[in-house]
Amino acid sequence: SQKIEQNSEALNIQEGKTATLTCNYTNYSPAYLQWYRQDPGRGPVFLLLIRENEKEKRKERLKVTFDTTLKQSLFHITASQPADSATYLCALDLIASGTYKYIFGTGTRLKVLA
Amino acid sequence: NAGVTQTPKFQVLKTGQSMTLQCAQDMNHEYMSWYRQDPGMGLRLIHYSVGAGITDQGEVPNGYNVSRSTTEDFPLRLLSAAPSQTSVYFCASSYSRWGARGTGELFFGEGSRLTVL
Repeated sequence: SQKIEQNSEALNIQEGKTATLTCNYTNYSPAYLQWYRQDPGRGPVFLLLIRENEKEKRKERLKVTFDTTLKQSLFHITASQPADSATYLCALDLIASGTYKYIFGTGTRLKVLA
Repeated sequence: NAGVTQTPKFQVLKTGQSMTLQCAQDMNHEYMSWYRQDPGMGLRLIHYSVGAGITDQGEVPNGYNVSRSTTEDFPLRLLSAAPSQTSVYFCASSYSRWGARGTGELFFGEGSRLTVL
């Protein structure tokens, strides 16, 4: 079955540094990979989507890379701020396999220290 | 637009009771889905729908029923609640990627926290 792993349960970094979060997947080649942010007690909020034919995507201080050979996506937050503290989830779709499902990793909890 | 609205926000049930979690969206999304989120388990798909009258099972469908009679609403029914169904439930919707609009970005509700005693 499809499996998604995100690096470490928690990541602490100093304000101003770049946070790098990892998403690894097995047994599938998704057409899209998505990243979401979730704050405590709230629903996830979409951040970025990257397609299988895209190597990199940027949005303001966020950057996502997608390596379909390694089956890995990296999510970077540059010049991190305490307000970036949240749990970040990666998700991939299974539509290419004929099922309209999205599956999520367990998330990485990021804490940016002032 | 209100987006995705879930009710109730909190609910306590006794084992064996039934209830319905409501989900409504006002974005004319074809795709709607229900997830449960448990510590250390991430979001797990329960059921999903690609349009009115069409539903299918996700990873953890046992103990739950759904129906989709309108585009806007996608209720989740717990038939006979069990303590293992204690969780936070999220409804999410999106434009279908196989259509002309959107790329499957999911819009989530704020969640319904359910405790089964």
